[in-house]
Amino acid sequence: GAVVSQHPSRVICKSGTSVKIECRSLDFQATTMFWYRQFPKQSLMLMATSNEGSKATYEQGVEKDKFLINHASLTLSTLTVTSAHPEDSSFYICSARGLVPGTQYFGPGTRLLVL
Amino acid sequence: TQLLEQSPQFLSIQEGENLTVYCNSSSVFSSLQWYRQEPGEGPVLLVTVVTGGEVKKLKRLTFQFGDARKDSSLHITAAQPGDTGLYLCAGAQADSWGKLQFGAGTQVVVTP
Repeated sequence: GAVVSQHPSRVICKSGTSVKIECRSLDFQATTMFWYRQFPKQSLMLMATSNEGSKATYEQGVEKDKFLINHASLTLSTLTVTSAHPEDSSFYICSARGLVPGTQYFGPGTRLLVL
Repeated sequence: TQLLEQSPQFLSIQEGENLTVYCNSSSVFSSLQWYRQEPGEGPVLLVTVVTGGEVKKLKRLTFQFGDARKDSSLHITAAQPGDTGLYLCAGAQADSWGKLQFGAGTQVVVTP
């Protein structure tokens, strides 16, 4: 399967600071990437769809000004959590859309802890 | 509300036993994926099924897509401790730009 990386894998920050998470497709070009959030013992919740060269499409209830997404190239999408607060602490996972319809390849996730 | 109903939510079995996880919906999907996720890691794609009635086998894992493409099942034969993990089904609908609808997940624990 395709390889997707995320950086950093873990981050701890103070309340009010901004955190950037990178998602890279290592061995293929991903025109579409997705960002998810996952709480303990729960399933994945889609936050937004990131399309290369255009604005991201956010799911209902997700604040676009708080979760900034940039997909500047075919191999890189970034999620910036602005003015992070403790309630933003979560596991953030990105994925890249594969060639087979419906297939997505997931990154290893980023654990964010806001103090 | 969850578009895909996954059951059971939790399954604890002994090594060597069989298990089945179900994924049901009232909606039709163009494809359905099964993933396995371990704590602190991203989901890993196990299989994609696209044809109604399709059956795919991956070693001890058997995946079935319903004839109407509304439901799917995952069957594990002779489970091993290494099969422990969170199993997630996810469906894609036509014209959804590849967006997936995830089930709530089934936590499987296989004890030696």
